Amino acid sequence: EAQVTQNPRYLITVTGKKLTVTCSQNMNHEYMSWYRQDPGLGLRQIYYSMNVEVTDKGDVPEGYKVSRKEKRNFPLILESPSPNQTSLYFCASSLSTPGWQPQHFGDGTRLSIL
Amino acid sequence: KQEVTQIPAALSVPEGENLVLNCSFTDSAIYNLQWFRQDPGKGLTSLLLIQSSQREQTSGRLNASLDKSSGRSTLYIAASQPGDSATYLCAPHGDTDKLIFGTGTRLQVFP
Repeated sequence: EAQVTQNPRYLITVTGKKLTVTCSQNMNHEYMSWYRQDPGLGLRQIYYSMNVEVTDKGDVPEGYKVSRKEKRNFPLILESPSPNQTSLYFCASSLSTPGWQPQHFGDGTRLSIL
Repeated sequence: KQEVTQIPAALSVPEGENLVLNCSFTDSAIYNLQWFRQDPGKGLTSLLLIQSSQREQTSGRLNASLDKSSGRSTLYIAASQPGDSATYLCAPHGDTDKLIFGTGTRLQVFP
């Protein structure tokens, strides 16, 4: 089954404790992206990757890191999480630039930073 | 900077009604626009992708129209069903490598 898989689905942690949210897709997609979704603000892009070893900042990259060492994986790293990073996070992928192809989303990761 | 507005923010209707969801965007220089559905606790599912050269795109009971010059897209849902209850988001795509999302219309269809 074609899918985007995120882990964990839920995480409660404390300020400053490094965490990684994994994202994997099995569709051989070139484009992958991370979003955060907050009430009243909608979906905002954090980082995206056009292909292996190519990553770029989205609209809200501060406090986040990503890497794309393999085509299928695109982990999101919070080196020193803070409470303002409490949010619902989505990973997404598409065959190419998302506007030209349907974008596929994972089920989300709800992060709470205390 | 592209700004996307969706009206209404929430809608509650009885089963069987035909619905119109609206999406407005400020920068009309777009290549295409996607409509997504988001179920509670789930990610987004792409429903329709309409190119700027098209005026309409249909999938089952869903029909999306695009008027690029006026910065508007409309999603029509025919004969609504309780299973259509979800949040619907539009996302135009312009001269960047990303989608810009609206904040969505939360739809509830009751039996």
